[in-house]
Formats: sequence, structure tokens, C-alpha cells
Amino acid sequence: AQKVTQAQTEISVVEKEDVTLDCVYETRDTTYYLFWYKQPPSGELVFLIRRNSFDEQNEISGRYSWNFQKSTSSFNFTITASQVVDSAVYFCALSELGNQGGKLIFGQGTELSVKP
Amino acid sequence: GAVVSQHPSRVICKSGTSVKIECRSLDFQATTMFWYRQFPKKSLMLMATSNEGSKATYEQGVEKDKFLINHASLTLSTLTVTSAHPEDSSFYICSAKGGFTDTQYFGPGTRLTVL
Repeated sequence: AQKVTQAQTEISVVEKEDVTLDCVYETRDTTYYLFWYKQPPSGELVFLIRRNSFDEQNEISGRYSWNFQKSTSSFNFTITASQVVDSAVYFCALSELGNQGGKLIFGQGTELSVKP
Repeated sequence: GAVVSQHPSRVICKSGTSVKIECRSLDFQATTMFWYRQFPKKSLMLMATSNEGSKATYEQGVEKDKFLINHASLTLSTLTVTSAHPEDSSFYICSAKGGFTDTQYFGPGTRLTVL
């Protein structure tokens, strides 16, 4: 069965600290997508990244970076030099290609609080 | 690009009434739309998947007669909560996916309060 686990329910850091949000997934499929979404207090989910299961290259986008390791079924997300605006709930999600139009299986979410 | 809107953003209604929520893809054609429900401090729970022009596929445990979904065009899907009760109070979020991508783009959500 497919499953996404975000073991960290809440994380609190002080501005400018680096923080890593963990994501571990389970799937029997060999082809799948992994996603990260950000949900600020306003409620809207903002798409951050999509990673194909065949592409294990790490990705960096400004202060954000993602580490995809198939060997440990993990897709961790790091924010460097965190800012107060990074405060939000972050969701990791899995989608199996060809699975009913690609429905997403979400993790429980990690609430990140960045204090000034 | 890939903007999804939802209307209304908030709605308060009396128990027993029906409420319709609209989800629109503004700058792309959404071949598939999804409806989610989210409780406070919880993750998103998929309610149903709808493809344009066909009946929605509901997740196990979701009452299809209570949550009516229509996806009549490539840019619009509606969720109607029929005979709403206080336990239906929740945050409802839609997402849309076009044929050009495997990424779901989410609307801003609708907060439903049933008195």
C-alpha cells in the first residue's frame, strides 16, 4: 500500500537557521512522483516541487533544496537561512503514475514555525 | 500559470440547506479535478476524483448522494453539499490537473460552517 510519513509534526526554529523536513514514502510501484506543497495560514496549497522516481538528482531552488534517496525511500526538504515567511505547514505527497488520474497520497504535514 | 480559483471562500449556512462550491481552472484546461476535505491540524483527505464529462469517482466512505460533484466543462467543477449538517463543517479544497502535467494545482479553499 502507498503511504507517506512525515514524522515531524511541528518544528520551531529561529530565523536564519537551516531546517530539514523529513519525508519517507512507501510504494510498490517503480514509477511514481513525489511532491512538496506549502500551506501558509491563508490555507491555499502552494506547489513547490515535483520529482520523478527515475530522477534522483538533488534539486536546489534559491533557499530550498530537496534530497531524493530511493535507497531509503526518502524525499527530504531543506530550507537554508529560514525566514519568518517560511512559517507554514508543509506536505509531502506521492502519486503513482497511471493511478486513477494520479491521485495524491499526502503525509500528515509538518508545521514549521520560524521565529524572528 | 496554472491558477485555480474557488468560490466562495467562506460560507455559513443553516443545517438542512445545500451549499454549492465552485472550482475553476483559470488559465488551463483541467482534464481532472479533485476534491479534498481538511480538518483543523490535519492532512488533506481525498473525497473524489472527477474527469470532465464523466461521473466522479468517490473514495471509500464518502457519500456520493451527500457530496454531489459535477465536472461539466474543462474549466469548472462544482461540489454540492446536500442537506448540510454541523459535522460537514470543514475546509474544502479543490485541485486541478491538465493533460500537460502530472502536477495538481490547488484552489484557495472554502471554509464551510454549518450552524
